Formats: sequence, structure tokens, C-alpha cells
Amino acid sequence: KAGVTQTPRYLIKTRGQQVTLSCSPISGHRSVSWYQQTPGQGLQFLFEYFSETQRNKGNFPGRFSGRQFSNSRSEMNVSTLELGDSALYLCASSLEGQGGDTGELFFGEGSRLTVL
Amino acid sequence: QQQVKQSPQSLIVQKGGISIINCAYENTAFDYFPWYQQFPGKGPALLIAIRPDVSEKKEGRFTISFNKSAKQFSLHIMDSQPGDSATYFCAGGDYKLSFGAGTTVTVRA
Repeated sequence: KAGVTQTPRYLIKTRGQQVTLSCSPISGHRSVSWYQQTPGQGLQFLFEYFSETQRNKGNFPGRFSGRQFSNSRSEMNVSTLELGDSALYLCASSLEGQGGDTGELFFGEGSRLTVL
Repeated sequence: QQQVKQSPQSLIVQKGGISIINCAYENTAFDYFPWYQQFPGKGPALLIAIRPDVSEKKEGRFTISFNKSAKQFSLHIMDSQPGDSATYFCAGGDYKLSFGAGTTVTVRA
């Protein structure tokens, strides 16, 4: 069974640009969550999508947005990039969502964004 | 605002020793406490998890101890091996998972 796939794996952008990251969840998983990982801050929750609807949202500015398609694939977008947006962005899928029975998240390997 | 506080930030242990990582939480709505393990270049993966009605859970060399009244829980890695060298994250879950900042464990051979 294929795992969670994230593309691109690495990218470099400059301040003010925008970026789109893609995530393909495990087949059959309807929930996709996004996390930002930075040294010393751990994993910060961005948002969760379930059946094409944003179900939960973390404390990030409106420059961070996402969506989910009917095949459960998800994208997140960051507009007007800032230096502080440099991070590893992780996507995680689960069968029923983080509030589900096991709560287990299956993470991809992440997209490493560098903002210059 | 970190809902789960994790310590230490890093630790070094000799092969065969015990690694101990501690976490404390504030949100009493948390009803699920997992630990995730992350190797360099990989995403985190679930290692072991516990519900608040249980005080201890053991899986192989990994044990979670849970103290509901103190709102604290810890991970013990017994007989630590070089292959255990990784970053470990604790988390508390209600409708979403809130992660600690992570602990980098280095096991010296």
C-alpha cells in the first residue's frame, strides 16, 4: 500500500512569492492534515480537511490556505512568502480524521521550503 | 502557544541505557496521548499511544507512563540501541493533535 506522497520535496522561493504544495494521501483515507515543522517549535497544526471540507484550523495567518479535492488529494498554498515561512511542511492522512478512534496520523516525508 | 511541553530538548545515552522523555499538558480535554518517532529525512511515525484511563503501556522496549492528576506523561526507552537515535514527539489529542517541541535522542555505541 503506497504511503503519503508529497511534492515537491524541496523548493526555494523568494520573499513575496507564493507557493503551492501537494499531498496525495493513503488510498481510502479521507482526512488530510497539514503541519509546519521548524527547529525548536515542533509540529504546528495548520489545518485539516475531511471530505473536501476544512474541518479544523490552527493559528496561522490567512496567507496559509488549503483545499481538498474529491479524490482526497490536498494542496496547501502560502501567499506573500516571508523569511519565517521557511520550514518543513508535513502532510498527514488518516482514515477518519484526528478525532477518530485511533487518531493515528500517517505522515509524508514533507516538502522543505526555503524562503530567501 | 505550546499546549504540550516536552523535555529535554536533546539527550545522549549509551547503548543499553535508558532514555527518558517527559511531557506535560494543560488541556484536560485531551483523551489520547501518542508518541511519534522521526528519523532524519522522514516524516514522523506513530510509536506508541495511551488513553488517560491507563497508567502505563508497554510495547517491547518502549513504555509510556501516564499521571493524570499531574497532567504528565513520559516515554521510557529501555536497553537503548543505536537504531533508536531519532527525534521523538509527544502529543495530546482531542479533535486534533498538539505536539511537543521534540527530543532528539542520540544513542552512542
